[in-house]
Amino acid sequence: GAVVSQHPSWVICKSGTSVKIECRSLDFQATTMFWYRQFPKQSLMLMATSNEGSKATYEQGVEKDKFLINHASLTLSTLTVTSAHPEDSSFYICSVKDRGETEAFFGQGTRLTVV
Amino acid sequence: GQNIDQPTEMTATEGAIVQINCTYQTSGFNGLFWYQQHAGEAPTFLSYNVLDGLEEKGRFSSFLSRSKGYSYLLLKELQMKDSASYLCAVRDGDYKLSFGAGTTVTVRA
Repeated sequence: GAVVSQHPSWVICKSGTSVKIECRSLDFQATTMFWYRQFPKQSLMLMATSNEGSKATYEQGVEKDKFLINHASLTLSTLTVTSAHPEDSSFYICSVKDRGETEAFFGQGTRLTVV
Repeated sequence: GQNIDQPTEMTATEGAIVQINCTYQTSGFNGLFWYQQHAGEAPTFLSYNVLDGLEEKGRFSSFLSRSKGYSYLLLKELQMKDSASYLCAVRDGDYKLSFGAGTTVTVRA
């Protein structure tokens, strides 16, 4: 199966600053990646679909100007949380769609804490 | 969109069998997944069903009935390490996954 690397695993930042999270597909070219958010004791909620070479598609209720997604290459997608606030503290997880595979492959997740 | 329901919690004894049910209503269906998630970690893949029937994979089995919008995950010979949250997820035609809220399984000695 595919190997997906997400970095950093955890980050603590001050309110008002921006944080960038990277998601790398290590062993194949991923034209599509997905970004999810998970609050404590809740399930994963899809935030956006990241498409290589084009704009991301955001789910309803997700602010595209706050959660900037860049999918500049076939192996890397980044999610930048801009002007972070404590309510943005969450577990952010990326996944990769591998054409022909029967499962979605997840990164390790990033625990963001905004203080 | 997708509406996915699964029980919140289940408790079972080590060595026993537990069945986690999942019902869904979807605007498009392209497979149903079960994931295991330990606290603070990313989900790990357990099973995938796209056709009706039972898929068996060691101690874990998953069943799907598309006409009923129903699936279950069967965990056999429960071990303490099986204590985790189990997520039912439905994939649509755009390969987006919609997750249920998860079922927390607690295995007692």
